[in-house]
Amino acid sequence: GQQVMQIPQYQHVQEGEDFTTYCNSSTTLSNIQWYKQRPGGHPVFLIQLVKSGEVKKQKRLTFQFGEAKKNSSLHITATQTTDVGTYFCAGQFSNTGKLIFGQGTTLQVKP
Amino acid sequence: DVKVTQSSRYLVKRTGEKVFLECVQDMDHENMFWYRQDPGLGLRLIYFSYDVKMKEKGDIPEGYSVSREKKERFSLILESASTNQTSMYLCASDSQGREGGYTFGSGTRLTVV
Repeated sequence: GQQVMQIPQYQHVQEGEDFTTYCNSSTTLSNIQWYKQRPGGHPVFLIQLVKSGEVKKQKRLTFQFGEAKKNSSLHITATQTTDVGTYFCAGQFSNTGKLIFGQGTTLQVKP
Repeated sequence: DVKVTQSSRYLVKRTGEKVFLECVQDMDHENMFWYRQDPGLGLRLIYFSYDVKMKEKGDIPEGYSVSREKKERFSLILESASTNQTSMYLCASDSQGREGGYTFGSGTRLTVV
């Protein structure tokens, strides 16, 4: 079936360190979306990538979509305690239109 | 801002009970979705709907049904609750062709005892 795999499941970093989470799909995606869920909260949409090789930035966050449109990454530069939460990627498959979420990466930041 | 409202934040139900989870969105979105979230498993799609009275099975529909009688409301029904349905349930909505991702409700944490 259609799956989106995300690693790592957990990441603990010292404040100021960088952080990266990765997503992979076995089949080509029409687009990939990223969400952030704060502890006790619900997922909130961050960004959508559509084009092959696309790179988008939001302040300290950099999002990439692979050339083959099968993988994506989110990189946070110089983490802050406000970055704490679970980051989900979600891939949309063109043949079904369904949005399939990865398992999420939970980020803990030590001050 | 789009608002997706789930009727209950916490629910405790007994095994075998029929459970209704309600979701209402206020931005005239065509698409509505029900996910459940469990640790280590991410969000899994239960059912979705692209229009009134229309429903499609997601990846884990067993034990659930849905109802969409009005565009703004999408209900998830657990016909006979079981303990393995203890989970966080998240409703989301989206508009076709609109870039901006899904808007999620605050979630309902259901415990079946």
